[in-house]
Amino acid sequence: DAGVTQSPTHLIKTRGQQVTLRCSPISGHKSVSWYQQVLGQGPQFIFQYYEKEERGRGNFPDRFSARQFPNYSSELNVNALLLGDSALYLCASSLVVGQGLYEQYFGPGTRLTVT
Amino acid sequence: QQPVQSPQAVILREGEDAVINCSSSKALYSVHWYRQKRGEAPVFLMILLKGGEQKGHEKISASFNEKKQQSSLYLTASQLSYSGTYFCGTERGIQGAQKLVFGQGTRLTINP
Repeated sequence: DAGVTQSPTHLIKTRGQQVTLRCSPISGHKSVSWYQQVLGQGPQFIFQYYEKEERGRGNFPDRFSARQFPNYSSELNVNALLLGDSALYLCASSLVVGQGLYEQYFGPGTRLTVT
Repeated sequence: QQPVQSPQAVILREGEDAVINCSSSKALYSVHWYRQKRGEAPVFLMILLKGGEQKGHEKISASFNEKKQQSSLYLTASQLSYSGTYFCGTERGIQGAQKLVFGQGTRLTINP
């Protein structure tokens, strides 16, 4: 079975531009989460979507937005890019295996560089 | 609140054992463990719930001490493939988003 896929793999943008990152979850997974990982640190939660509804949002500015489509794929949008937005953006899809019990699988990530 | 992992880094020879700890100052509902190799995505290893339920890969073992709000990951008879950075991710409640708060990571190096 195919894992979580993300596109593009790498992206270079300049300050002030806007970017859209895409994610396709594992077939059968209805939940998608987005994380930002800065080099040398653990992933930081940005959003979670389940059945096209936002279930949670991390401590990120309104420049960050996301949505989930009927086929459960998702997009993360970042407006007015700052140098500090340079990071690896990870998408994860989840499989619920019990009450409160789930396995989260990460995609390969999109490496965003802002110059 | 970000969990604290210890040690920050460890170097082993193949076949040796290691323990990686993850501690929180807040009450936890669950702890998740991931391994990330350089340039790759984190890979799910195990989830442990308050109350004792857990699910993960067969060759991985871990514990969750609810009184101490601490989880430990046990790597026995280490193999070269175990090298990577290990992250714990914690959740404080079952309601709401699957919102993991990750520690800063523990870098594990296995030498032949």
